[in-house]
Amino acid sequence: QKEVEQNSGPLSVPEGAIASLNCTYSDRGSQSFFWYRQYSGKSPELIMFIYSNGDKEDGRFTAQLNKASQYVSLLIRDSQPSDSATYLCAVNRGGSYIPTFGRGTSLIVHP
Amino acid sequence: DAGVIQSPRHEVTEMGQEVTLRCKPISGHDYLFWYRQTMMRGLELLIYFNNNVPIDDSGMPEDRFSAKMPNASFSTLKIQPSEPRDSAVYFCASNPSLREETQYFGPGTRLLVL
Repeated sequence: QKEVEQNSGPLSVPEGAIASLNCTYSDRGSQSFFWYRQYSGKSPELIMFIYSNGDKEDGRFTAQLNKASQYVSLLIRDSQPSDSATYLCAVNRGGSYIPTFGRGTSLIVHP
Repeated sequence: DAGVIQSPRHEVTEMGQEVTLRCKPISGHDYLFWYRQTMMRGLELLIYFNNNVPIDDSGMPEDRFSAKMPNASFSTLKIQPSEPRDSAVYFCASNPSLREETQYFGPGTRLLVL
């Protein structure tokens, strides 16, 4: 089992809908959780991070963390075609400041 | 600041050749990371340095891979001899500290080994 698991997709949603991206992780001691966005041919860029159980909102993005169930999700409200990208989940395992990345979920927002 | 700089941006080589990838981190960043990204394995950490010293190279796939950081503004990742399975995008990233939330990625080097 890979340490950080994501459905590779693609996840296809219509413009204006809510996109829901999920990630599970295997290390119960993980402390920090990140979502990166990667456009085709570009490098990853951080869009959200979360440390505590619950929700964290930033504009159209909401990160949700449930440590008991070992999953973290990213919701994108009012999805736009410009949100079409691969979203990478990253987790800092317990005792480490180095993120372990999932393989990413491809999101396609169609007009 | 120009951000993390990598060269070359694209490299096509033949199996058995030596490949050298280069990285210039953001000035003042004490940590430098080398990653490899493939469809099959995703983004994997190969090695990272702190103040020019290699700290963890457990991600380096085999002895064909080596990395150096002779000074604070330059690092190389070398593959000798290269194999087709080394084809991937190689990213360099830097950080001022490990407590920084984000990794500052360079644009990547797309390597194709024929």
